[in-house]
Amino acid sequence: GNSVTQMEGPVTLSEEAFLTINCTYTATGYPSLFWYVQYPGEGLQLLLKATKADDKGSNKGFEATYRKETTSFHLEKGSVQVSDSAVYFCALRQPSNTGKLIFGQGTTLQVKP
Amino acid sequence: NAGVTQTPKFQVLKTGQSMTLQCAQDMNHEYMSWYRQDPGMGLRLIHYSVGAGITDQGEVPNGYNVSRSTTEDFPLRLLSAAPSQTSVYFCASSSTGTGGATSEAFFGQGTRLTVV
Repeated sequence: GNSVTQMEGPVTLSEEAFLTINCTYTATGYPSLFWYVQYPGEGLQLLLKATKADDKGSNKGFEATYRKETTSFHLEKGSVQVSDSAVYFCALRQPSNTGKLIFGQGTTLQVKP
Repeated sequence: NAGVTQTPKFQVLKTGQSMTLQCAQDMNHEYMSWYRQDPGMGLRLIHYSVGAGITDQGEVPNGYNVSRSTTEDFPLRLLSAAPSQTSVYFCASSSTGTGGATSEAFFGQGTRLTVV
C-alpha cells in the first residue's frame, strides 16, 4: 500500500541554521508529493509540491526535489527563521482524482533566536 | 472567500454522546475529506467524498458517519463518542484543476474534540 515516512522530531535549530527534514514514500505508479505546514493553532497550509520525478517544488525559501530513484522528497531550507517554527507534514496523493492524501507523521521544528 | 469553514472549534463530549462536526466550503470543490490528527501519527483519513451523494470510507472510518447532500457541506457524525475519538479533526477540499490534475487541498482550522 501507499505510505509516507518522515524523520522523527522534534528538530531544534538556531536561527540561520540549515534545515533538512527527510521524507520517503512507498507508492505504486507516479504519485504527487507535497509538504504541508501547520502553525500553532491553525490548519494545514500547502508549502510546496511536485507532481513528477525530478520536479523541484519551492516556496518561501524551502525546497524539495521529487526523487523517484530513492523514493524521497526531503525538505530543505538554507537559513531558518524563528517564524518557521511549525509542524511539517510530507504527503502523497495518487492520480486517482479522489483528493485523498496520505500523510507522514509530521515533524515539529523549533527555531531558537 | 472563506475557504473551508469548520464548526465548532472546540468540543467536549461525554462517552456515549453523539454530535456532528460541520464542514462547509465555498470554492465549489467536488472533493472533500475528513482527517483526524493524533500525536505521532500524522493525519489519517476517516471518510471522503468525490461529489454530492457519493462518499466512501478512508483508513479509520469506524464510529463515524458522513453524508454529502450538497457540494458545499460535508458533515461528520460521531454516533456514540468514545475516549479513543479524542483528537483534532480537519476537513479538506480540493478540485480537478486544469489539465485534469487535482488541485491542492485546502484545510479548515480544525475541531479539537475531547471525549471524557
